[in-house]
Amino acid sequence: GAGVSQTPSNKVTEKGKYVELRCDPISGHTALYWYRQSLGQGPEFLIYFQGTGAADDSGLPNDRFFAVRPEGSVSTLKIQRTERGDSAVYLCASSFGTLNEKLFFGSGTQLSVL
Amino acid sequence: GESVGLHLPTLSVQEGDNSIINCAYSNSASDYFIWYKQESGKGPQFIIDIRSNMDKRQGQRVTVLLNKTVKHLSLQIAATQPGDSAVYFCADVSSNTGKLIFGQGTTLQVKP
Repeated sequence: GAGVSQTPSNKVTEKGKYVELRCDPISGHTALYWYRQSLGQGPEFLIYFQGTGAADDSGLPNDRFFAVRPEGSVSTLKIQRTERGDSAVYLCASSFGTLNEKLFFGSGTQLSVL
Repeated sequence: GESVGLHLPTLSVQEGDNSIINCAYSNSASDYFIWYKQESGKGPQFIIDIRSNMDKRQGQRVTVLLNKTVKHLSLQIAATQPGDSAVYFCADVSSNTGKLIFGQGTTLQVKP
């Protein structure tokens, strides 16, 4: 069956621009997570959705980062006024609903801010 | 504070040998632990999990051991194969935060 799908797989942008990263979770998964992974590091938690609502956004680094999941399925991570330090792989994961259990990850979006 | 970490950044083993990857955690409230495998260009892939009320769990060619006394977790891979080459992360969920926290990863290199 289809796994977690993330688009685009690569995104190159210029400093100061706005970007949107999309995540299609596994069908039927009510929980959705965004993580950020820098080179050589483990993934860092950003935000967690249960259904349409953000249950925990404590990992978002600042107010330039925002995520939505309006219909409880697809999610979009939005980054305003991008900075070079935002360059990383942004990973999306989903699960059946119990917090953090057996997350299934997508392949990520490699964001490069020039 | 809470941290999850791995003892060695790189582990090199001969094909067919057993591999042991170690992890230490600091949060006593951690009650659920997961090992993930990440290949280049892919997202982390679930391998095996264990809850704090267990000290051992076995899967296909993999075994996870949990020692709560010393806050230590290990992943054992039997008869390591070239396809096992990847970065391995341990992660834990604490009852405090409910968040899955990853360590920094160990790179497993399998020599043919």
